[in-house]
Amino acid sequence: DTAVSQTPKYLVTQMGNDKSIKCEQNLGHDTMYWYKQDSKKFLKIMFSYNNKELIINETVPNRFSPKSPDKAHLNLHINSLELGDSAVYFCASSLSGGYNEQFFGPGTRLTVL
Amino acid sequence: QKEVEQNSGPLSVPEGAIASLNCTYSDRGSQSFFWYRQYSGKSPELIMFIYSNGDKEDGRFTAQLNKASQYVSLLIRDSQPSDSATYLCAVTSYSGGGADGLTFGKGTHLIIQP
Repeated sequence: DTAVSQTPKYLVTQMGNDKSIKCEQNLGHDTMYWYKQDSKKFLKIMFSYNNKELIINETVPNRFSPKSPDKAHLNLHINSLELGDSAVYFCASSLSGGYNEQFFGPGTRLTVL
Repeated sequence: QKEVEQNSGPLSVPEGAIASLNCTYSDRGSQSFFWYRQYSGKSPELIMFIYSNGDKEDGRFTAQLNKASQYVSLLIRDSQPSDSATYLCAVTSYSGGGADGLTFGKGTHLIIQP
């Protein structure tokens, strides 16, 4: 009965590789987000999708590409991984039309070696 | 550039006392204000949100908002050791039409001393 789930929980990979992180929510929300939390614990919005449509695309390298096959899923694909991509990536979801309370997934800790 | 400022702490409070956490924000267009709690190695957990001036109480937690001063606070009454965590203040300009992301502060590390 997990509300927002992410896979994998941990991801260790070499520089230059391509990897994906998956996110699913079963809350019936129509908006999903990706956030990055860096080593100093600062949490920053990367993308948001509303009804499968990209709404926000903050200043993020184009090596990062979100994909939303349906309202319940938002995946993050990262090409040509760099050392600076090491962080914890959180998926979140909310219901549009409300006050934008966002609920977070457990996070994916990405380590680029 | 939207900014949210918090004192990083650590803020040390004796068990049973009131913990007071503060946050200021730069964007006057901000509409909704949130407090998240994050334990080490865990995801942010929503504690409270507030969108109108004044106080909002939920159990041991009270959120206070002053839009004129661009100031949000969180009071935790009867602090417990389990309240020890990092508290993140977040704001959004969302007003019912889109999907604005949250702008987070860097968090205040709260330690409740038994």
